[in-house]
Amino acid sequence: AQKITQTQPGMFVQEKEAVTLDCTYDTSDPSYGLFWYKQPSSGEMIFLIYQGSYDQQNATEGRYSLNFQKARKSANLVISASQLGDSAMYFCAMRSPPTSYDKVIFGPGTSLSVIP
Amino acid sequence: KAGVTQTPRYLIKTRGQQVTLSCSPISGHRSVSWYQQTPGQGLQFLFEYFSETQRNKGNFPGRFSGRQFSNSRSEMNVSTLELGDSALYLCASSLGQGGNEQFFGPGTRLTVL
Repeated sequence: AQKITQTQPGMFVQEKEAVTLDCTYDTSDPSYGLFWYKQPSSGEMIFLIYQGSYDQQNATEGRYSLNFQKARKSANLVISASQLGDSAMYFCAMRSPPTSYDKVIFGPGTSLSVIP
Repeated sequence: KAGVTQTPRYLIKTRGQQVTLSCSPISGHRSVSWYQQTPGQGLQFLFEYFSETQRNKGNFPGRFSGRQFSNSRSEMNVSTLELGDSALYLCASSLGQGGNEQFFGPGTRLTVL
C-alpha cells in the first residue's frame, strides 16, 4: 500500500539556519510525483516544490530544495536560511501517477517553529 | 491576479442538514480540486473537476458531491451531515487537469453539531 511517513511531529530551528524536514514514502508504482506544501496557521496550503520520480536532478525553488533519494524512497525538504515566516506545518505528499489526484496521499505533517 | 476564494469561511450546521461550499479558482485555471482536512484523518482528496466534468474522485461516500460551472467555479455539497464531517475543506485550482502546481484557497471550516 502507498504510504507517506513524516517522522518529525515538531521541529525547532534558529532563524537564518538551514533545516531538513524528513519524508519517506512507499509505493510500487514506477511513476509518481512528490510534493511539499506549507500550511501556516491561517489554514491556506501553499505549494512549495515538486519532484518527479524520473527527474534526474533534485528540485529547487528559491530557498527550498528537495533531497530526493529514490533508492531509499526519501524526499526530504531542505529550507535554507530559515525565516520567522517559515513557521508552519509542512506536508509531504505523493501522487501516483503524478497527474492523478485520486491517488494522492499526504503525510501527517511536521510542525516547524523558527526561533528568533 | 486574485487568488482562489472560498465561501463561506466558516459554517455551523447540525446533523442531518446539508451544506454547499463554493470555490472560485484563479482566473484562467480550469481545474478545481477539493480536499478534506481533519485532525484524525489528515488531508484527504475528495474530487477534481476539469471542464465541468469530474475527473477524479477520492474514497468518500456518495453524500459528498460536487459540480463545476462553465466559468470554472465549483461547488461542493455534503448531504445528511454527520459529526465526522466537521473539517476544514480546501479548494485548489490549477491550469490544467492534474497540474503539479496547485493554488489553494483559505478553506471553509465546517462544524457539525
